[in-house]
Amino acid sequence: QVQLVQSGGEVKKPGASVKVSCKTSGYLFTAYGIMWLRQAHGQGLEWMGWISGYNGKTHYAQSLQDRVTVTSDSSTSTVFMELTSLTSNDTAVYYCARAPGGGPYNWYDAWGQGTLVTVSS
Amino acid sequence: EIVLTQSPGTLSLTPGERATLTCRANQSVSGNYLGWYQQRPGQAPRLLIYGAFTRATGIPDRFSGSGSGKDFTLTISRLEAEDFALYYCQQYGSSLTFGGGTKVEIK
Repeated sequence: QVQLVQSGGEVKKPGASVKVSCKTSGYLFTAYGIMWLRQAHGQGLEWMGWISGYNGKTHYAQSLQDRVTVTSDSSTSTVFMELTSLTSNDTAVYYCARAPGGGPYNWYDAWGQGTLVTVSS
Repeated sequence: EIVLTQSPGTLSLTPGERATLTCRANQSVSGNYLGWYQQRPGQAPRLLIYGAFTRATGIPDRFSGSGSGKDFTLTISRLEAEDFALYYCQQYGSSLTFGGGTKVEIK
């Protein structure tokens, strides 16, 4: 079955960077994209960036494009999201989600379990 | 940017009742590219509906989506215990935005 398994929770200091992984299985990696989203406690969902499993093309939310980088390793069907210059406002649960189709704006039909990133001094 | 407003904020119902959740956009959603997700506490969102009315794989037929243009509805025909959760709408016709959510709670 389709699975997206994310790396474990992280605690970071302000100004640091974090890199979260999302290992996919159960489907053809190159046929789907992966979107990264985040959710602060008690808040709604915010999209961050997307990568194509087919050609590695990326697309980022304008509000985060200077700080977020999404990469992939097709040999292991794993996608990574790195966020730099962390502040307390980045404390959230980060999700990867599978996106059918060839572009970033889509529905998301399978999700990782979420990774809590806590930014605290 | 398309802003999605969900109402009501909280819906208090009993098991077996019908739930009607509304998602209104400030401009027409291109192609009716509108999805609905369910999120239980401590879990990731789960896709229920895409394309405004198409049920995702494995979603029970008590969930149905309708609407077009600016106004969309998620209906749960007969609430079961596991349906008490948070529900989000999402549009993907013009960039990507999510609504603020509707909580369906046990009355």
